[in-house]
Amino acid sequence: SQTIHQWPATLVQPVGSPLSLECTVEGTSNPNLYWYRQAAGRGLQLLFYSIGIDQISSEVPQNLSASRPQDRQFILSSKKLLLSDSGFYLCAWSLTLASNTEAFFGQGTRLTVV
Amino acid sequence: LAKTTQPISMDSYEGQEVNITCSHNNIATNDYITWYQQFPSQGPRFIIQGYKTKVTNEVASLFIPADRKSSTLSLPRVSLSDTAVYYCLVRDDKIIFGKGTRLHILP
Repeated sequence: SQTIHQWPATLVQPVGSPLSLECTVEGTSNPNLYWYRQAAGRGLQLLFYSIGIDQISSEVPQNLSASRPQDRQFILSSKKLLLSDSGFYLCAWSLTLASNTEAFFGQGTRLTVV
Repeated sequence: LAKTTQPISMDSYEGQEVNITCSHNNIATNDYITWYQQFPSQGPRFIIQGYKTKVTNEVASLFIPADRKSSTLSLPRVSLSDTAVYYCLVRDDKIIFGKGTRLHILP
């Protein structure tokens, strides 16, 4: 069966420090991958999505970047964190782009920038 | 932008049936309607999906009228553990979520 792993679960980082969040999917090939951020009490904001290796689309201009070095690995990065980068980060995958395809989410990373 | 509109919040009581309506006026012919549930500090999880008429599973029912411009998620006999945010989604390749409906179940 397919599983999605996301780590770390929590992270406290100082302003100006770099960030690397990793997400991996097991049990499937060529998944579509997504990064979301959720600020406290707010909805899910799509940050990046990827339909294949080195095929990444950015939805919101910001202080973050994403990479997909392997088929089932999706990494969210920042060179210098801002206070406004704090939030709950979620990685997700889906098998296809079709409307009836379910999205599966990781456990999330709670990032606090201090 | 999200393709759906939902009430921001709803309150109900344990044991009641809860209906959450979602508007998707610009739904395309090939689009499905999917509902997700999210608890605090967790990722959303799939509840139910439909294309037209009525779909029922062990958790909920989904009613979709003939014009498909709206849908209603029905949760029978809710409990305190159903307190969560519920998202109605008409996805494309981007999977963009709307603001969702914050459902609060009272004892």
